[in-house]
Amino acid sequence: DIQLTQSPSFLSASVGDRVTITCRASQGITSNLAWYQQKPGKAPKLLIYAASTLQSGVPSRFSGSGSGTEFTLTINSLQPEDFTTYYCQQLNTYPITFGQGTRLEIK
Amino acid sequence: EVQVLESGGGLVQPGGSLRLSCAASGFTFSTYAMSWVRQAPGKGLEWVSDITYSGGGTYYADSVKGRFTISRDNSKSTLYLHMNSLRAEDTAVYYCARRSSVAPRAFDYWGQGTLVTVSS
Repeated sequence: DIQLTQSPSFLSASVGDRVTITCRASQGITSNLAWYQQKPGKAPKLLIYAASTLQSGVPSRFSGSGSGTEFTLTINSLQPEDFTTYYCQQLNTYPITFGQGTRLEIK
Repeated sequence: EVQVLESGGGLVQPGGSLRLSCAASGFTFSTYAMSWVRQAPGKGLEWVSDITYSGGGTYYADSVKGRFTISRDNSKSTLYLHMNSLRAEDTAVYYCARRSSVAPRAFDYWGQGTLVTVSS
């Protein structure tokens, strides 16, 4: 199975900051990676697919990059609604796997 | 508007069975692959199972293989998850999700989830 390791697991930041979350895959997955945002008690929401393509309707302050084994999610100019949990997901090989999650908290 | 709505969750004893349903609307259900994902209380996301658009191909996580069966009825735009031999560790919110038609077919629409609790 392909393991995804997100770092950091917890991140403190302030409104207006820029933050970066990293997702490392245990083997190469080309660009078959997605990022999701999940708010408490809600279903995950797709933010980025194919490593760097912004899903329709997602604000442009979100961006993704990377290929192979290392990927990043960057959020520019953090807004209050961005403080929640983020997951990466690989869709290259079954079983599909998720990272353990990164919780973004207000400093 | 694309919508997927899960139902069928509840309290079940260890070793018991349950069938989850996911009713889809707002898109041509028969042309999309679908998935089940679960989330144990306070934990992360775990992919459970996938089914191709026609139902001809199914895939499972090792943790549920041999106990869970995914199926679909395209005439009813409904996805199912048949769960047998349930264990305490199957306790989770179960989400159904649509797989995008664009590579790499991420999960672009999710239901609100249905809670399954396995306990005596």
